[in-house]
Amino acid sequence: SQQGEEDPQALSIQEGENATMNCSYKTSINNLQWYRQNSGRGLVHLILIRSNEREKHSGRLRVTLDTSKKSSSLLITASRAADTASYFCATEADRGSTLGRLYFGRGTQLTVWP
Amino acid sequence: KAGVTQTPRYLIKTRGQQVTLSCSPISGHRSVSWYQQTPGQGLQFLFEYFSETQRNKGNFPGRFSGRQFSNSRSEMNVSTLELGDSALYLCASSSGQGVGDTQYFGPGTRLTVL
Repeated sequence: SQQGEEDPQALSIQEGENATMNCSYKTSINNLQWYRQNSGRGLVHLILIRSNEREKHSGRLRVTLDTSKKSSSLLITASRAADTASYFCATEADRGSTLGRLYFGRGTQLTVWP
Repeated sequence: KAGVTQTPRYLIKTRGQQVTLSCSPISGHRSVSWYQQTPGQGLQFLFEYFSETQRNKGNFPGRFSGRQFSNSRSEMNVSTLELGDSALYLCASSSGQGVGDTQYFGPGTRLTVL
């Protein structure tokens, strides 16, 4: 299975602290994406990093990708209570019949306390 | 631009019944993917449609089917419902141009099977 695995499963921090979540996957990928989900609602796309990229930034988000270790990390700086949500990594393979198919990890539940 | 819409948002059915869920993609998007989310299995890919054709299919039984209309709206149908079909069903739309296309998710339909 190509399904990714996030680590940790749950993370609890205070407002203002940084939150780091990790994702590992198993097969060769074209890109890796991070999504956020608030309490059983729809997924919100956060950032996409391609296999030939090593780091990407978007606002308070920083994503790194290490294809040799098949891993990625998502850093949220200066976290806010509104960042409380589940965060998922999703991979898109670089070969085979993969159009429109993302493989999701189990997610990290982030709780940010005021 | 309006986002992805899904109807209905909540549904309660009994075992053995069938159900149809609807998804309207973002205007201009031609690809619609469907995912099932459960606490036990996480997010699982069901199928993807592009220009009324199913391009990709996940590992679900034949009771799960879908279709796409000429206006890119998509429906998925589950026949002979089982208790294990209780889940959040998410659809996502994208331009369908290929690998690396960002998928935009709808709010989901929460299906409960009694």
